Amino acid sequence: EVQLVQSGAEVKKAGTTVKISCRVSGYVFTDYYMHWVRQAPGKGLEWVGHIDPEDGETIYAEHLQARITITADTSIDTIYLEMSDLRPDDTAVFYCASEASGSLDYWGQGTLLTVSS
Amino acid sequence: QSVLTQPPSVSGTPGQRVAISCSGSSSNIGSDTVSWYQHLPGTAPRLLIYNNTERPSGVPDRFSGSKSGTSASLAISGLQSEDEADYFCSVWDDSLNGRVFGGGTKVTVL
Repeated sequence: EVQLVQSGAEVKKAGTTVKISCRVSGYVFTDYYMHWVRQAPGKGLEWVGHIDPEDGETIYAEHLQARITITADTSIDTIYLEMSDLRPDDTAVFYCASEASGSLDYWGQGTLLTVSS
Repeated sequence: QSVLTQPPSVSGTPGQRVAISCSGSSSNIGSDTVSWYQHLPGTAPRLLIYNNTERPSGVPDRFSGSKSGTSASLAISGLQSEDEADYFCSVWDDSLNGRVFGGGTKVTVL
């Protein structure tokens, strides 16, 4: 059974940095691209970026790329999203997802990030 | 403003058929495959349709997808109360070099 298990909720002050994780099980970690997607309160889904766990190659959403870093640790089948210079409008639920069929097939349970001013 | 345009809401009575449109452009829907997701509050999104028309194992055949040119559509036939949720379309955009989502459509079962 494929499982994506994310780290717990975070509360941060504006201007600080957060790092959230997503641990994968149930398939070969390097087989599928991994994505981060977020949903701000009352808003739709927004793609943040993705990583190829096999070689670490990343693509980020253009408007976020100056503040985010996605990494993968193949020794523990885990990806990370680090976001810096946090702002209150970064408050959102962040989801990791794996791409097995050209789509986001499997999803984590979500991590709530709350940023206060 | 989302790159992909969806109606904010659709509604129907139990047993009815409803359809959700997703309008894009040549750089996204016109050049890549569309997927659809069901999202219930407090839960992770669920893949409903991939490769425009394919259903993952476990997704009821009441859900169907189609694509023509720069638009796609998700149909739900035999609407059930458990289908009340938000639905999002998504595709890779070559111009933006990133994945894009529609703004989402809330389905209400009357």
